[in-house]
Amino acid sequence: DTGVSQDPRHKITKRGQNVTFRCDPISEHNRLYWYRQTLGQGPEFLTYFQNEAQLEKSRLLSDRFSAERPKGSFSTLEIQHTEQGDSAMYLCASSLMGSSGRPGNTIYFGEGSWLTVV
Amino acid sequence: KQEVTQIPAALSVPEGENLVLNCSFTDSAIYNLQWFRQDPGKGLTSLLLIQSSQREQTSGRLNASLDKSSGRSTLYIAASQPGDSATYLCAVTPLDTGRRALTFGSGTRLQVQP
Repeated sequence: DTGVSQDPRHKITKRGQNVTFRCDPISEHNRLYWYRQTLGQGPEFLTYFQNEAQLEKSRLLSDRFSAERPKGSFSTLEIQHTEQGDSAMYLCASSLMGSSGRPGNTIYFGEGSWLTVV
Repeated sequence: KQEVTQIPAALSVPEGENLVLNCSFTDSAIYNLQWFRQDPGKGLTSLLLIQSSQREQTSGRLNASLDKSSGRSTLYIAASQPGDSATYLCAVTPLDTGRRALTFGSGTRLQVQP
């Protein structure tokens, strides 16, 4: 399978615990994005990487959230001291930057990681 | 701040009908607009991408149009089928080279009755 893969697909955790999600993008894609989606809403942007550099972070990404892409391949999203409001689906996506510096291709999403904080 | 609105929020039609989903955005400084499909509990699948210089794109029974100056896009689905039942989301990429985040609408939940 050459699509975007995310792990775990589902996670139930107690409030206050830390959780980490992993994303493996399409292999040749240099851009990787994290989004959060709650029921009935469209995805909200969290952060994106170009290769290993984190180039943009949303104000939604509080200090409890951290994302890394250490070798420009897979990425992790960690949430510390989880709160019930963190319950959502966390989506990873990847794309290939065009030669002009513009995103020439479409963006491909993974199946998402569901987080439930109890 | 870019805002994307999709109307209607939900739509139920009998099989075989042609239908139109609407998307509007407040800031016309966009690089492109994409339409996605999302099945319940699943990720998003890109359906069509329209560059800002284009007026429409077609794929099979789907046709998407873009009127950047008025901040509108439509997704036309011909001869709808039960398998088309899903949530359809539109999203815009900003023209600002310093930003790459897509801004999504809340989606239109489509149910095609057999």
